[in-house]
Amino acid sequence: ETGVTQSPTHLIKTRGQQVTLRCSSQSGHNTVSWYQQALGQGPQFIFQYYREEENGRGNFPPRFSGLQFPNYSSELNVNALELDDSALYLCASSLGHGSGNTIYFGEGSWLTVV
Amino acid sequence: QQQVKQSPQSLIVQKGGISIINCAYENTAFDYFPWYQQFPGKGPALLIAIRPDVSEKKEGRFTISFNKSAKQFSLHIMDSQPGDSATYFCAASKNNDMRFGAGTRLTVKP
Repeated sequence: ETGVTQSPTHLIKTRGQQVTLRCSSQSGHNTVSWYQQALGQGPQFIFQYYREEENGRGNFPPRFSGLQFPNYSSELNVNALELDDSALYLCASSLGHGSGNTIYFGEGSWLTVV
Repeated sequence: QQQVKQSPQSLIVQKGGISIINCAYENTAFDYFPWYQQFPGKGPALLIAIRPDVSEKKEGRFTISFNKSAKQFSLHIMDSQPGDSATYFCAASKNNDMRFGAGTRLTVKP
């Protein structure tokens, strides 16, 4: 167990709806990153939060947004859901945001868009 | 978006054999190269990692070989065991941006 917990574990949404995924980071970790993992693919970096500020973003449209709270937990929000958003969404936490900081993944939230 | 190419896509090895997975990257700014192991229903877990100033790193049965000039690195699993059956991802990162390969599904037959 990595200490990173995500909720919900599975959910089904309709195209055009909005979804919020939640993540509790490992105790003491101040950096949270979100990844999208499509079936049979490697995780793709969505964005990272460090001390409540966005600290880098991958090639995802603005309808993917996030928040980090003072306790370092985080949310991923996706608006105007599309069928291609169906994927496993992984949260990862680390102590610090530079290269070489070990990141610990949660077990993910499976999102199906129909 | 994928800047890391991984091969093979799948690999079957007999128990006790050597498993070899290869990765190639494009961006010379990457400065950290980890390998992750993922079991079904679980998130990826760090297995071993290397920095580009080192050509090889060994931890137990797992070895990373790194060729900076060729922009390639590989994972060798010695004495492969059925419990090693999982999907393996290589990755390359610079600061907060980590790029993953597409994964290799390893099956170790008893």
